[in-house]
Amino acid sequence: AQSVAQPEDQVNVAEGNPLTVKCTYSVSGNPYLFWYVQYPNRGLQFLLKYITGDNLVKGSYGFEAEFNKSQTSFHLKKPSALVSDSALYFCACSGTYKYIFGTGTRLKVLA
Amino acid sequence: ETGVTQTPRHLVMGMTNKKSLKCEQHLGHNAMYWYKQSAKKPLELMFVYSLEERVENNSVPSRFSPECPNSSHLFLHLHTLQPEDSALYLCASSHLRDGTSPLHFGNGTRLTVT
Repeated sequence: AQSVAQPEDQVNVAEGNPLTVKCTYSVSGNPYLFWYVQYPNRGLQFLLKYITGDNLVKGSYGFEAEFNKSQTSFHLKKPSALVSDSALYFCACSGTYKYIFGTGTRLKVLA
Repeated sequence: ETGVTQTPRHLVMGMTNKKSLKCEQHLGHNAMYWYKQSAKKPLELMFVYSLEERVENNSVPSRFSPECPNSSHLFLHLHTLQPEDSALYLCASSHLRDGTSPLHFGNGTRLTVT
């Protein structure tokens, strides 16, 4: 069965510092991997995806993610965090019809 | 503007009521989804429709009944719910059925069962 794991419930980072939100996956075959962000009282918003190709994927709002096949990881990164990046972040993997989400990581960027 | 609209945004209902959640997508997608989001739990996939045909039913209790009259509209009919059904219900749509297309979510309906 496919699954993703987000080992951290919460990540705190100072504004201007780099941030990393971790995700590992367990997928048979080629993994399709996604990151989403959820702001309060809103639905999930797509940030970026890895389907194939370059291991470094660039997405919206300056976010990027690094696909590492040997470590089965897909960590979300940003070089310089903003207070407005504070939100709930979800990693997901997909197969036909099924999109499986992690439990989410709350990111708090401190001014 | 997300392209996926859910109504109502908030709903409070008693355990004996019958209500419906509505979702409409304006993106030309051919698959629609219902997810349940509860505090401190992973997002739970409830139902998937592809071209108006239900292709996934994730062991959801029969008190939840989905309906997809066309590729743009999706409903979730609710009856005799339990307090543990209180959650944020999210509708989503996607373009392709092979898992490479991202989901587009609505802003959800916050359901409270009293």
